[in-house]
Amino acid sequence: QVQLQESGPGLVKPSETLSLTCTVSGGSIRNYFWSWVRQPPGKGLEWIGYIYNSGSTNYNPSLKSRVTISLDTSKNQFSLRLSPVTAADTAIYYCARDERVTMGVYYQHYMDVWGEGATVTVSS
Amino acid sequence: DIQLTQSPSFLSASVGDRVTITCRASQGISSYLAWYQQKPGKAPKVLIYAASTLQSGVPSRFSGSGSGTEFTLTISSLQPEDFATYYCQQVNSFPRTFGQGTKLEIK
Repeated sequence: QVQLQESGPGLVKPSETLSLTCTVSGGSIRNYFWSWVRQPPGKGLEWIGYIYNSGSTNYNPSLKSRVTISLDTSKNQFSLRLSPVTAADTAIYYCARDERVTMGVYYQHYMDVWGEGATVTVSS
Repeated sequence: DIQLTQSPSFLSASVGDRVTITCRASQGISSYLAWYQQKPGKAPKVLIYAASTLQSGVPSRFSGSGSGTEFTLTISSLQPEDFATYYCQQVNSFPRTFGQGTKLEIK
């Protein structure tokens, strides 16, 4: 059974870089889409972006100039970098597998496996 | 961006009740919609994808319907473990967006 685990610093200073890694265990990282989603304290979910096996990415335009998602197939990991950060980036950051299924002639996507979340606080 | 508006935002119900949560999209998204359940301190869990397809392992009391701009999530008979926050998410176009959430509380 595939499991995801986020890791990285829990405290980041304003204007610096938030870096998180998601380690995939129990399965290969290849041939899937991998997403990052965040949730500010007491608020709803925000999709950050995803990366595919080929390295192609798609980012939320609200973050696009600051975000990078990368893939390391040799380590079965994918990563998130967000820079520069402000207090508004304080959130729980989740990594998730973005499953793509064929339904008729179309593809459907949904996030079927999630990490437990990493709390990141931006503060000096 | 496609806006998703859930109603109600808060819902108080009793065990055994039938409840329905609505998600309206600001433009048509065909059936490109998923529903997630989130319990406090936990990651979201997918319940429904493609608007009406039940994810493997999810109890059959959960069902989804709709297409275009209006979608519903129905729980046919509430169980104690169903009290949580529910989110819809559109996967029709980028950026993927979520509804604001519906918090289901025990009456």
